[in-house]
Amino acid sequence: AQSVTQLGSHVSVSEGALVLLRCNYSSSVPPYLFWYVQYPNQGLQLLLKYTSAATLVKGINGFEAEFKKSETSFHLTKPSAHMSDAAEYFCAVSEAGANSKLTFGKGITLSVRP
Amino acid sequence: KAGVTQTPRYLIKTRGQQVTLSCSPISGHRSVSWYQQTPGQGLQFLFEYFSETQRNKGNFPGRFSGRQFSNSRSEMNVSTLELGDSALYLCASSLGQVAGELFFGEGSRLTVL
Repeated sequence: AQSVTQLGSHVSVSEGALVLLRCNYSSSVPPYLFWYVQYPNQGLQLLLKYTSAATLVKGINGFEAEFKKSETSFHLTKPSAHMSDAAEYFCAVSEAGANSKLTFGKGITLSVRP
Repeated sequence: KAGVTQTPRYLIKTRGQQVTLSCSPISGHRSVSWYQQTPGQGLQFLFEYFSETQRNKGNFPGRFSGRQFSNSRSEMNVSTLELGDSALYLCASSLGQVAGELFFGEGSRLTVL
């Protein structure tokens, strides 16, 4: 069975500061990993994905994530936070072939202070 | 290009009733999946339909069912509603070929009284 752990439910940073959202996964097979963002009263939007190609993945809005197999991690980072980044962020894992069956973490709410 | 459309956006039902939610995928997308989002359990996969066939199913009771039509539109039904079914139900569409690249609708928020 696959699982995702997102430590902490809330992260607060100042505008312009580094954003680091942590994600650890458990999978018995090589995983596909994803980060999604959800703005208030909206659905989820794909930020980036890892599907066994480059371990450093760049996504939209300046976000990137690095797949580290030895640490079973896929942390999301952004060098400089913007007020518009305030949202809930979800890490997810799937098996190759199970295209739409994602296992999500509990999510992390990111707040950005002016 | 129009996004994923879900109807209704909000609805209130009472225990024991049933409900049907509708999802129109992005044009050309053949896969539709459904997720339940609650504060306690987070996002949980319900099922996926691809070309009118259920391709994957999550761990939900048989009261939760779905179907997909030839135009890829999908419906999900919940019978004999329970208080715990109160949730945001999210539909996502995809081409069905690229793992995890889902396009989500804004959801249908169901409140069961």
